[in-house]
Amino acid sequence: GQNIDQPTEMTATEGAIVQINCTYQTSGFNGLFWYQQHAGEAPTFLSYNVLDGLEEKGRFSSFLSRSKGYSYLLLKELQMKDSASYLCAVRGNAGNMLTFGGGTRLMVKP
Amino acid sequence: KAGVTQTPRYLIKTRGQQVTLSCSPISGHRSVSWYQQTPGQGLQFLFEYFSETQRNKGNFPGRFSGRQFSNSRSEMNVSTLELGDSALYLCASSSGTGGSQPQHFGDGTRLSIL
Repeated sequence: GQNIDQPTEMTATEGAIVQINCTYQTSGFNGLFWYQQHAGEAPTFLSYNVLDGLEEKGRFSSFLSRSKGYSYLLLKELQMKDSASYLCAVRGNAGNMLTFGGGTRLMVKP
Repeated sequence: KAGVTQTPRYLIKTRGQQVTLSCSPISGHRSVSWYQQTPGQGLQFLFEYFSETQRNKGNFPGRFSGRQFSNSRSEMNVSTLELGDSALYLCASSSGTGGSQPQHFGDGTRLSIL
């Protein structure tokens, strides 16, 4: 079976750092993706992890531990425009099929 | 490079009707996947096509079907519409399989069933 968990909502302050966690239990694993989705818009790709460790891309970093079935997305120097839903998704062993968590709605306050 | 294009953007149908949604992937992308997004269930995988062949299918009833054409454009069809089919239907394309290539999403078709 496939199970991906992330917090439903988080609130943080502009300029701060926030960490969004994702735990997964899947029958196969071929990479973990993070997407950002603003209300009424398409999800946009943020990061990809397939090996253990940290991947950094500007203000965004993503970490993966395959043995623990755990990932996090770290957002630094938060801006108001970072208010959005953040989706954790796991790709299995067959094709490009993604299994998504329920998404974390992040609200950034001044 | 143009992104993933989905048409129509909005659609209103009544129960029992059928609907066809269209997706044009990014030029050169051969893999097209479809997802349903609802407030209660989040993003759920429908099916994936690669080179005109269905490669994966999600846990949806047979009323949901799709196909891919030789130019990689894809359509999905839902027959005998039910109220619960109201959702945002998202199409995503990718250049290949596996690796670090992400899926790129279109803006979706918002389907409302009355």
